[in-house]
Amino acid sequence: DIVMTQSPDSLAVSLGERATINCKSSQSVLYDSNNKNYLAWYQQKPGQPPNLLIYWASTRESGVPDRFSGSGSGTDFTLTISSLQAEDVAVYYCHQYYSTPFTFGPGTKVEIK
Amino acid sequence: QVQLVQSGAEVKKPGASVKISCKASGYTFTNNYIHWVRQAPGQGLEWVGMINPTTGSTTYAQSFQGRVTLTRDTSTSTVYLDLNSLRSEDTAVYYCARGGLGASRGAFHIWGQGTMVTVSS
Repeated sequence: DIVMTQSPDSLAVSLGERATINCKSSQSVLYDSNNKNYLAWYQQKPGQPPNLLIYWASTRESGVPDRFSGSGSGTDFTLTISSLQAEDVAVYYCHQYYSTPFTFGPGTKVEIK
Repeated sequence: QVQLVQSGAEVKKPGASVKISCKASGYTFTNNYIHWVRQAPGQGLEWVGMINPTTGSTTYAQSFQGRVTLTRDTSTSTVYLDLNSLRSEDTAVYYCARGGLGASRGAFHIWGQGTMVTVSS
């Protein structure tokens, strides 16, 4: 199984400042034949299902604000919120869909400082 | 609009079974895999398994093998999750999610609202 780890476990950022979340997979999720990273990021607010933000490691889902961006390849990935807004308070999960069992990171809680 | 609507909350005793549903609408049901993900209270996300709505073929996480069955009814665009031999550790919110277009490997673009399953004596 591919194990996903995230850092930090939580972070507090001032409004308007940058938030950076890291995700690492225990093996590469880059598929050589199409050069795509099978890695997604989700935002989850209390009492709600997860909401897809980024897929293929860096493709923003339709309707997601452009302050959210994803980067990385292979085993190391980053989700960046360029200017934190109050509505971004949530838990963020990375997810590999490269091989079954599909697995998620443990989550990173983002709060306002 | 594209949506997945799940059945309501369930309370079951240990050792019992539960069957929850996920009804798809707003798109061609057989185009996308449906996945199930669960989340225990205050915990992270755990993938349970997936079903190909076209063929009915399934893949399950090893930790659920032998206890979980996914089925689908193409006439009603509904997927079912059946979990037996319930134990307290199965208490969780169960989500269905729409996966890749014509492929088993894809991000989960659409999620159901979740179904709370409580296992308690």
